[in-house]
Amino acid sequence: LAKTTQPISMDSYEGQEVNITCSHNNIATNDYITWYQQFPSQGPRFIIQGYKTKVTNEVASLFIPADRKSSTLSLPRVSLSDTAVYYCLVGDTYNQGGKLIFGQGTELSVKP
Amino acid sequence: DTGVSQDPRHKITKRGQNVTFRCDPISEHNRLYWYRQTLGQGPEFLTYFQNEAQLEKSRLLSDRFSAERPKGSFSTLEIQRTEQGDSAMYLCASSLVAGRDTDTQYFGPGTRLTVL
Repeated sequence: LAKTTQPISMDSYEGQEVNITCSHNNIATNDYITWYQQFPSQGPRFIIQGYKTKVTNEVASLFIPADRKSSTLSLPRVSLSDTAVYYCLVGDTYNQGGKLIFGQGTELSVKP
Repeated sequence: DTGVSQDPRHKITKRGQNVTFRCDPISEHNRLYWYRQTLGQGPEFLTYFQNEAQLEKSRLLSDRFSAERPKGSFSTLEIQRTEQGDSAMYLCASSLVAGRDTDTQYFGPGTRLTVL
């Protein structure tokens, strides 16, 4: 399973765009990139998943360059309620038994 | 609410006691997972089921841990002879995988276990 590296923490202010970059140099051909959000005392919540180029949903955008060795989660106009831990995961969950390998994540703090 | 549910949400027990947690997945999800999370760390995979079959167990799952999913719907995780090191949040997730789909997992709120 590809290992991921992401910043331990980030600070932002309300209304700003936040970009969290994740490095995954050993990503395999069949691996997908998935981001989860977790609030204290809650289970992780799926945000977005992609394989290449750009994916956008109502919550975030995911940018993946051609070499796929990194990815960037973009949160537009964050609010205080976006304060959470964000996890980047890489894996071929179908063939690898479904297990997700979480790192320490990025603790995002949004200030007023 | 049609999400993943877990019961109880909190459990305090004394060392040496047995505890059992229940997870009800999203209806018709064929995969069910158990993870454990300690403070400041990301969740760690414990085991997963495809329907009623337990397909993989982590080395973290010692002999004191057992999980079942008897009818392919809800699951239980039992910890026997609890130790203080078992104190953690136990998370359940479920997904629907068909063919070559990617596996998007949806997590429940977790069960917080405290072993005194």
